Amino acid sequence: GAGVSQTPSNKVTEKGKYVELRCDPISGHTALYWYRQSLGQGPEFLIYFQGTGAADDSGLPNDRFFAVRPEGSVSTLKIQRTERGDSAVYLCASSLKTSGREEQFFGPGTRLTVL
Amino acid sequence: AQSVSQHNHHVILSEAASLELGCNYSYGGTVNLFWYVQYPGQHLQLLLKYFSGDPLVKGIKGFEAEFIKSKFSFNLRKPSVQWSDTAEYFCAVINQGGKLIFGQGTELSVKP
Repeated sequence: GAGVSQTPSNKVTEKGKYVELRCDPISGHTALYWYRQSLGQGPEFLIYFQGTGAADDSGLPNDRFFAVRPEGSVSTLKIQRTERGDSAVYLCASSLKTSGREEQFFGPGTRLTVL
Repeated sequence: AQSVSQHNHHVILSEAASLELGCNYSYGGTVNLFWYVQYPGQHLQLLLKYFSGDPLVKGIKGFEAEFIKSKFSFNLRKPSVQWSDTAEYFCAVINQGGKLIFGQGTELSVKP
């Protein structure tokens, strides 16, 4: 029973570069969520997928952020032209479905540092 | 917009002291409420949840929380804390779309 896994665990990049963050949800979980946690703050919602489609991307801060989940399992969060303000821990969570009552299981996060 | 407020940013207690962490939410409809905990170096884990029914919910490790609708509150309690309870605690509400809205977190430090 593997949990949610995220790679890499740490990513250091330079301003202006492109990064991809990967999330591997719990097998069988149809819902997948991305959150971002800045220092001293609670996680903030970015986007969630139900299956392959993005059901709600209202939390993506701007068009530099994009996420995909082409086969309804693994998801990749993509950030173009990174900025120092993008530095944060990016969390992924998955759950069985989205009736609003399921526990979301969180991964360990990817700590992104933009220099 | 829904929001969650946690009033205590950092709480320091001695072992065996009682704990109460405040959480208030803003949402007028049906709410599903959660407390998550993040131990040092570990993932966020669910501590307890409230969906409906008995407003006093019990979670893991002796934690409990009480939903008071009239006060829009969902405070977390534990009668006697242990050093191993040192962690960051997050209150959250889930909206109809399924996304969690978190408070800013409370860091709990328990002195042995």
